[in-house]
Amino acid sequence: KAGVTQTPRYLIKTRGQQVTLSCSPISGHRSVSWYQQTPGQGLQFLFEYFSETQRNKGNFPGRFSGRQFSNSRSEMNVSTLELGDSALYLCASSLEWGGTDTQYFGPGTRLTVL
Amino acid sequence: SQQGEEDPQALSIQEGENATMNCSYKTSINNLQWYRQNSGRGLVHLILIRSNEREKHSGRLRVTLDTSKKSSSLLITASRAADTASYFCATDARGNTGKLIFGQGTTLQVKP
Repeated sequence: KAGVTQTPRYLIKTRGQQVTLSCSPISGHRSVSWYQQTPGQGLQFLFEYFSETQRNKGNFPGRFSGRQFSNSRSEMNVSTLELGDSALYLCASSLEWGGTDTQYFGPGTRLTVL
Repeated sequence: SQQGEEDPQALSIQEGENATMNCSYKTSINNLQWYRQNSGRGLVHLILIRSNEREKHSGRLRVTLDTSKKSSSLLITASRAADTASYFCATDARGNTGKLIFGQGTTLQVKP
């Protein structure tokens, strides 16, 4: 089975722009979660989607949003980019919602905001 | 904010030695997972241990969980240079399930 894929792998944007990141889960997985990783804050949970519904959300401003499609693919969007949004954004998929299953991570999208 | 704390933050050993990393957390959990990350790449899942389990093995990895002390340990036996990476524990908290809370990680260097 193919693993979790994320596109693009690298992005460079400038402050004030917006960005959309994409995640394709492992085939058959219905839950997709997003995490932000920075040197200062470490790995932080952004949100989780299951059956096209956001089931859980972390402590991030409203500039961070996401959605899930009927084929379980997910996108996250960051509007009005700030320098502090520079990070590795990781997507993870699992079979079901609820954290009882292993979460499998993709390679990440490295976003640099100039 | 991080729920977990990992100890030590950095560990340097010789090939063939064992490496032990510890993780402490604050709230009741459904399960605890250990991940490995190489040089800022994606996370590789190592082991998931549920709150009603005390020990799990996978190859050269051994994980223990003590829910009374809210702590876990990861033991890598007979380490190899390829084990050089950062190791993270992540908890799925009871009542807030689906949201993994990560520790700050332990950076392991295995010298050939």
